[in-house]
Amino acid sequence: GAVVSQHPSWVICKSGTSVKIECRSLDFQATTMFWYRQFPKQSLMLMATSNEGSKATYEQGVEKDKFLINHASLTLSTLTVTSAHPEDSSFYICSARLPGLSTDTQYFGPGTRLTVL
Amino acid sequence: GNSVTQMEGPVTLSEEAFLTINCTYTATGYPSLFWYVQYPGEGLQLLLKATKADDKGSNKGFEATYRKETTSFHLEKGSVQVSDSAVYFCALSVHNDYKLSFGAGTTVTVRA
Repeated sequence: GAVVSQHPSWVICKSGTSVKIECRSLDFQATTMFWYRQFPKQSLMLMATSNEGSKATYEQGVEKDKFLINHASLTLSTLTVTSAHPEDSSFYICSARLPGLSTDTQYFGPGTRLTVL
Repeated sequence: GNSVTQMEGPVTLSEEAFLTINCTYTATGYPSLFWYVQYPGEGLQLLLKATKADDKGSNKGFEATYRKETTSFHLEKGSVQVSDSAVYFCALSVHNDYKLSFGAGTTVTVRA
């Protein structure tokens, strides 16, 4: 089956620093990837849609200058949390859309736990 | 807009009990409906899906039927196992943009 990986699986950083999270599709090419944020005991909230070779599309209320997304290749999208603050602490999850017949099926990475001190 | 309302948990069951998790939705357009499962320490996995009215998705003993008249997609399993302990998310997408809207998730714990 389609596999999506994320790195790192968890990260702790100091307030004011930037953190980069990678999302890779391991056995397929993903023209579209999605970034979600999950708060404890809450649902996933879509942050942005990442399209290979073009600018990401951000959901309303998501600061694009704070959450930088780069989809440089068909197998890699990165999310950089710039000047992180404690309120950015969360579980960040990416997914990749499998092109082809199942065009509305997404495969999810295992998530990255970010803790900002 | 699109939204999903899901039964609140947590739900605790004994092994071999019947499980049902209610899910209703509102959508602009004709959505596809999904159930995703998140096992402890793992990422979300697609459990089943349905793309049109009256379709029944099924997998691993779980079933859900796309009911357009009641805008529902309730998840059921006749006999749960301890290994079914997980968080279950109902979700929808409208075909044009493939974005997923998730319910709040329901934590299910099955005791031996």
